[in-house]
This record gives sequence, C-alpha cells and structure tokens, in this order.
Amino acid sequence: EIVLTQSPATLSLSPGDRATLSCRASQSVSTYLAWYQQKPGQAPRLLIYDASNRAAGIPARFSGSGSGTDFTLTISSLEPEDFAVYYCQQRINLFTFGPGTRVDIK
Amino acid sequence: QVQLQESGPGLVKPSQTLSLTCTVSGDSVSSGRYYWSWIRQPAGKGLEWVGRIFVSGSTNYSPSLKSRVTISMDTSKNQFSLKLSSVTAADTAVYYCARDHMLRGLDPWGQGTLVTVSS
Repeated sequence: EIVLTQSPATLSLSPGDRATLSCRASQSVSTYLAWYQQKPGQAPRLLIYDASNRAAGIPARFSGSGSGTDFTLTISSLEPEDFAVYYCQQRINLFTFGPGTRVDIK
Repeated sequence: QVQLQESGPGLVKPSQTLSLTCTVSGDSVSSGRYYWSWIRQPAGKGLEWVGRIFVSGSTNYSPSLKSRVTISMDTSKNQFSLKLSSVTAADTAVYYCARDHMLRGLDPWGQGTLVTVSS
C-alpha cells in the first residue's frame, strides 16, 4: 500500500499570505496525484489532478507541482474562503489519501 | 449539473451490515466513462477510500476492508450501493459517494451521510 504523508499538519497564516503544502509518497506515484479541499461540514472538493492540472472552476491562485514522490500545493495569496483542510490522494495503485494539512487563520 | 446523494440508515447495530445507496442525477452510472466510488471519514479524522465499481461490474476495494465490502450497481435506478458487513464502532463515519473520473480524480462528491454503529 502506498502511504502518503503531508506536512505541516497545521499551517497558520494570514489572508494574503502564500501557502505551501507538501505531500510525500512512500513510493513513486508518477504524476497520479490529486489535491482536495474540505471545509467544515462539507464534502471534499477536487482542486488539482495529475499533480498540476486545476479542476474545472478552481481559481488560478491554486497550483500544484511535483512528480514521483514529492508534491506541492501552493496557494499564491490566501483568500478568507481558503482556510480549510487539504488532502492529497494517489491513484496509481487504487486510492489512498494523506492525513491532511489544516490551513487556519493566524 | 451532476449531483450525488447518499441515503440509508443512520444507525446500525454492531455485527450487522451497513447498507447505503448513492443516487446519481445529471449523469448516467452506465455511461462507461467513470467509476463510482465510496469514501468514508470518521469524525475529526481523515479520508479513507472504501471501493469503487464500473458499469461492467468490475470492482476494486480497499485492502483493509476487502473482506467485508460489497459494492453493486442498479443501472435502472441510476444508483450504486455499498454493503459493509460485521460492523463495529470503528466503522462509524460519514460515508461519501463520488464520481471517479479515471483520468482525474473524485469529482463531484455527495454531501455525505453519517452512519453510527451502536447498540
């Protein structure tokens, strides 16, 4: 089973700040990695697929990069609605999710 | 606009079988373009993929749940279903269904339904 680790567990930032979230896989997943955003009481929403492709309707401030075992989700300038939990997910070998990174307001 | 809606009992007794249904609108589960997945999330914890089904009947399950999970599809009702047997308190979670775009990811998701395992 491929294990995903995310860091940091919590990121405390202010609106307008740049957020950099990391996801590391226990073995190569090529670029078969997605990122999801989840707000309290809501279902997750797909942000990024195949490591760097924004899903439909996702603002340009969200970007993804990486391949193999190391991936990054960057939010260029945090908006108030971006404070949420972010999960990475691999799909090269069934599916597994990372434990999540919480982005909260400093 | 594609929408998914989970339904089923919110309370299940230990050792019994959890049964949920996902009703899809705005798309067809028999289109052959997508898998259809179940994911769960215990309160305050992360996401766990449970399994998925394709219109052919092909299924994939999480290795940790494989012995207890069955996912099926009813194309006439545009639904797919989850059965999880021999449940314990550890199976208490919000259960989500989602469309599984094979080349992208899970999108969209249903709103989720809370299932509590308790006597």
